[in-house]
Amino acid sequence: KQEVTQIPAALSVPEGENLVLNCSFTDSAIYNLQWFRQDPGKGLTSLLLIQSSQREQTSGRLNASLDKSSGRSTLYIAASQPGDSATYLCAGGGWVKAAGNKLTFGGGTRVLVKP
Amino acid sequence: DTEVTQTPKHLVMGMTNKKSLKCEQHMGHRAMYWYKQKAKKPPELMFVYSYEKLSINESVPSRFSPECPNSSLLNLHLHALQPEDSALYLCASSTLLAVSSYEQYFGPGTRLTVT
Repeated sequence: KQEVTQIPAALSVPEGENLVLNCSFTDSAIYNLQWFRQDPGKGLTSLLLIQSSQREQTSGRLNASLDKSSGRSTLYIAASQPGDSATYLCAGGGWVKAAGNKLTFGGGTRVLVKP
Repeated sequence: DTEVTQTPKHLVMGMTNKKSLKCEQHMGHRAMYWYKQKAKKPPELMFVYSYEKLSINESVPSRFSPECPNSSLLNLHLHALQPEDSALYLCASSTLLAVSSYEQYFGPGTRLTVT
């Protein structure tokens, strides 16, 4: 059974500093790994998806890496802004034949970027 | 358009009421998901529908009854709920195409309060 962990649970940084968010998973047979952002009381916004055959993905200030052998993924956010304040969730995908991609979520990292 | 819509946004119901949550997507996705998210916790998978058939039921109590009337719509029928069922209910969708990344797109959620 896949287990996903995110440490730390909360992080506070001054504006302009780079953010490094960690995600670890127990089953290296991961199908893909997806990073989400969630604002309080809102739904999830997909940030990046890394397929199991990839090592990293980039979108603007965001870069996510995947190391299956060590069971780790890292999300980097460059030059953080107050608007980046949110909870960031990673989720490991497990493919179930004819049933879709079953996501197992980590507990999330709550980020506060101080002006 | 990568939008998943959910109605209503908020719902307050008594323990003897019957209500339904609705989810809709027009991305042509053939997998749709229901998640439950308690405060300060990650989402937990409840049900998966693939090609309009229930493919995964994560041992959810029968007071939750999902329905997928067509490829764009997903409903969650609620009956005789308990106060501990109060949560944010999230709907998501993804493709089932072998060449796709199976990225899941989430709706904004329905905030349910059971009194």
